[in-house]
Amino acid sequence: AQRVTQPEKLLSVFKGAPVELKCNYSYSGSPELFWYVQYSRQRLQLLLRHISRESIKGFTADLNKGETSFHLKKPFAQEEDSAMYYCALNRGTSYGKLTFGQGTILTVHP
Amino acid sequence: GAGVSQSPSNKVTEKGKDVELRCDPISGHTALYWYRQSLGQGLEFLIYFQGNSAPDKSGLPSDRFSAERTGGSVSTLTIQRTQQEDSAVYLCASSLRRQETQYFGPGTRLLVL
Repeated sequence: AQRVTQPEKLLSVFKGAPVELKCNYSYSGSPELFWYVQYSRQRLQLLLRHISRESIKGFTADLNKGETSFHLKKPFAQEEDSAMYYCALNRGTSYGKLTFGQGTILTVHP
Repeated sequence: GAGVSQSPSNKVTEKGKDVELRCDPISGHTALYWYRQSLGQGLEFLIYFQGNSAPDKSGLPSDRFSAERTGGSVSTLTIQRTQQEDSAVYLCASSLRRQETQYFGPGTRLLVL
C-alpha cells in the first residue's frame, strides 16, 4: 500500500531564512505528488503538483524517484508562509484519490 | 464563484445517535470526495463519487458509514450509531473531472460525546 511520511510535525524558521519541508513516499508504481496548504482559519488548498513543475508563492518541489522524496523548498521564508503543509500522493489511479502525510506546521518568525 | 460548501460547520451529538453531513460541490464538478481529518490519523480518504455512483468506498471505516450523491451534485455522508472515535473534521472536495485539482470545503467538525 502507498504511504506518505512527513518526518517533521513542527518546523520553525526566521523570516528570510531558507525552508525545506520534507516528504517521503512509498509506492512501487508511478505516483503523482502534491503539496497542499492550510492557512489559519482557511480551507485546504492545492499549492503544487509535481507534473506542473511550477513555482507557487516562491515554493518549488522536485520529485526524486530514486530517493522517493518530494521535498518542498523556499529560499526566503515569509511570515505569511506560516501554515500547515500536507504532502499527498495519488497512486496513478484513473481518479484523484489522495493519500496524505501527517502534515507539518510551519512557523515563520519575524 | 462559489466554492465547495459543507453543512453544518459544527455538530455535537451524543454517542449512539445518527448524523448527516452535507456537501455542496462546485457546480459542474463531476468528481466528489470525502476525507476525514482526525488527531493521530491525519487526513484519510473515505469515498469517491463519479456522478452519482461510488466506484471507491474503500476508506469507509465501518458499515455504520454510508454516503450518497444525488443529481450529480449534493452529497450526504451518514454516520449511524455514532461513537466517540468518529469525532473528527469531515472534509469534502470536488473536481471538474477525475484527476483534476480537488477543491476542498471548509469541513464539518463533528464531536461525539
